[in-house]
Amino acid sequence: EVQLVESGGGLVQPGGSLRLSCAASGFTFSSYAMTWVRQAPGKGLEWVSGISVSGGSTYYADSVKGRFTISRDNSKNTLYLQMNSLRAEDTAVYYCAKVANEYLYYYLDVWGKGTTVTVSS
Amino acid sequence: DIVMTQSPDSLAVSLGERATINCKSSQSVLFNSNNMNYLAWYQQKPGQPPKLLIYWASTRESGVPDRFSGSGSGTDFTLTIGSLQAEDVAVYYCQQYYTTPPTFGPGTKVDIK
Repeated sequence: EVQLVESGGGLVQPGGSLRLSCAASGFTFSSYAMTWVRQAPGKGLEWVSGISVSGGSTYYADSVKGRFTISRDNSKNTLYLQMNSLRAEDTAVYYCAKVANEYLYYYLDVWGKGTTVTVSS
Repeated sequence: DIVMTQSPDSLAVSLGERATINCKSSQSVLFNSNNMNYLAWYQQKPGQPPKLLIYWASTRESGVPDRFSGSGSGTDFTLTIGSLQAEDVAVYYCQQYYTTPPTFGPGTKVDIK
């Protein structure tokens, strides 16, 4: 069964850091681009970041550029999102999603259940 | 960035009736070299992650009931639920993956009348 399981969310103070992880199983992780998508409480979906199969190419939404870093460890079938300088507006459920191809310009065919990040003092 | 808009914001449809959701992109998402529209539809039920329904504007994902259909090209797209079932109550999002950043529409909430 294809599965994505996020972890690492929690409550953090403004200016703090968190590292999210996404463990993948049931497919050849190293053959697919991966993304992070977030959803603020009661709001819609916002693409946050994407990474190529090798990890050599990374992309970020303007809202997180310079603060968040996406990475992957293909030997561990795991995707990461390092989040620094967190702000209240980063409060959201963060979803890990598999791109349906090695290229980032494809639809998202598998989603994890999400991990909740709350930024508050 | 490509801006995605959806209409209506919400709709209530009787069981067994048709539901139609519109999605518009601020620029064409049709890639001329392969004649494919880089447009997907997702369904999100309360408390659940989004689920892929439709990609390439009109291709149903495996396992998705055939009452769901997608149409349109260029900048204007439609998701149709042919005969609404109780389990279709959800928010529906369109998304373009033509360019980075991929962008989502604001969502359309579908309820039972």
